[in-house]
Amino acid sequence: QLQLQESGPGLVKPSETLSLTCTVSGDSISSHSYYWGWVRQPPGKGLEWIASVYYSGTTYYNPSLKSRLTTSVDTSKNQLSLKLRFVTAADTALYYCARGSGYRFDFWGQGTLVTVSS
Amino acid sequence: SYELTQPPSVSVSPGQTASITCSGDRLWDKYASWYQQKPGQPPVLVIYQDKKRPSGIPERFSGSTSGNTATLTISETHPMDEADYYCQGWDSSTDVVFGGGTKLTVL
Repeated sequence: QLQLQESGPGLVKPSETLSLTCTVSGDSISSHSYYWGWVRQPPGKGLEWIASVYYSGTTYYNPSLKSRLTTSVDTSKNQLSLKLRFVTAADTALYYCARGSGYRFDFWGQGTLVTVSS
Repeated sequence: SYELTQPPSVSVSPGQTASITCSGDRLWDKYASWYQQKPGQPPVLVIYQDKKRPSGIPERFSGSTSGNTATLTISETHPMDEADYYCQGWDSSTDVVFGGGTKLTVL
């Protein structure tokens, strides 16, 4: 049974780097059939796509976040990670990891809340 | 940048049909998907590639796309269908794009 578990610091200070990990169980992150995505949702607001990551290393980033983003895949741990630099209060959100198939995300993790505050 | 526009809210009476629209340039070419999100839960895919339904999603949920508008239709609406619904498209220039979301109220 597929499970996606996001983990992160919970609280990050402004101007620092937000680091998140998504641990995949029940499927291989190296699967040729899928890719993996990050999506965030500010409190009370809508969904915002962050990035799509392929095990091969190919990545697609939201243009509005691209300059601050780094993603990676660790196949040995079946994990993907996200780093967002120079965070502000506008980066406060529930961050989701999701499995991508074709042009959609067919399975989502429960999300991890990240608050940016001093 | 590519944008998808949804009405902020839609209301429907139980047992009636709810229609939620999503508008965007050339949406017919963007492989529209729809997600249902209930409070405190992650989104759930209910329609993909305009009109396909994932396994486990009731037949009451259907999708269609014509021109620049995709429509999610929920027939025989149940109180449990009350949720936020998001459309999503894929564009070659900006990759994934989500609509702003529509709150469906069943009353």
